[in-house]
Amino acid sequence: KQEVTQIPAALSVPEGENLVLNCSFTDSAIYNLQWFRQDPGKGLTSLLLIQSSQREQTSGRLNASLDKSSGRSTLYIAASQPGDSATYLCAVGIFGSNTGNQFYFGTGTSLTVIP
Amino acid sequence: NAGVMQNPRHLVRRRGQEARLRCSPMKGHSHVYWYRQLPEEGLKFMVYLQKENIIDESGMPKERFSAEFPKEGPSILRIQQVVRGDSAAYFCASSPTAYEDYTFGSGTRLTVV
Repeated sequence: KQEVTQIPAALSVPEGENLVLNCSFTDSAIYNLQWFRQDPGKGLTSLLLIQSSQREQTSGRLNASLDKSSGRSTLYIAASQPGDSATYLCAVGIFGSNTGNQFYFGTGTSLTVIP
Repeated sequence: NAGVMQNPRHLVRRRGQEARLRCSPMKGHSHVYWYRQLPEEGLKFMVYLQKENIIDESGMPKERFSAEFPKEGPSILRIQQVVRGDSAAYFCASSPTAYEDYTFGSGTRLTVV
């Protein structure tokens, strides 16, 4: 069974800092990996999706990497802003004809960017 | 395209009542997934449906919970005789095929009092 762990559980940084969020998973046979943002009481916003054949994806100030062999992914946020404050979720996708594309989620990293 | 629509956004039920959560997938999407987020826990898969078929319900509690995705209309997650432990955020997602990325709705927050 896939287990997804995110470290740290909470992070507080001053505005402008670069930061790294970590995600580890136990089974390297993944279909894809996705990073989401969740604001309090809100839904999920997809940030970056990495297919299993890819090593990284970039969007603006965000960069996500994937190392399947070691079971790790990182989300790098450059020049953090107060508006980046949210919970960041890592989700590891598996695929099967009888399962579709299911995600296993970590419990998230709660990020606070201090102005 | 309006995205994945879930309603209601918030639902309050007394213990023992029934809760019906609705999910309208994006236009052209025939695959629906339901996830549950319990307080202080990560999202967990519940059920995967295609039109008129349940494909995988391995994450559904064995009792009181059921799901459907009829030929016409939204997907419904039904919880009978709700208990306090059912209080959670329930998210659905839809995709056009089993292989493609999917989009999450904003969720229904169920509170059982």
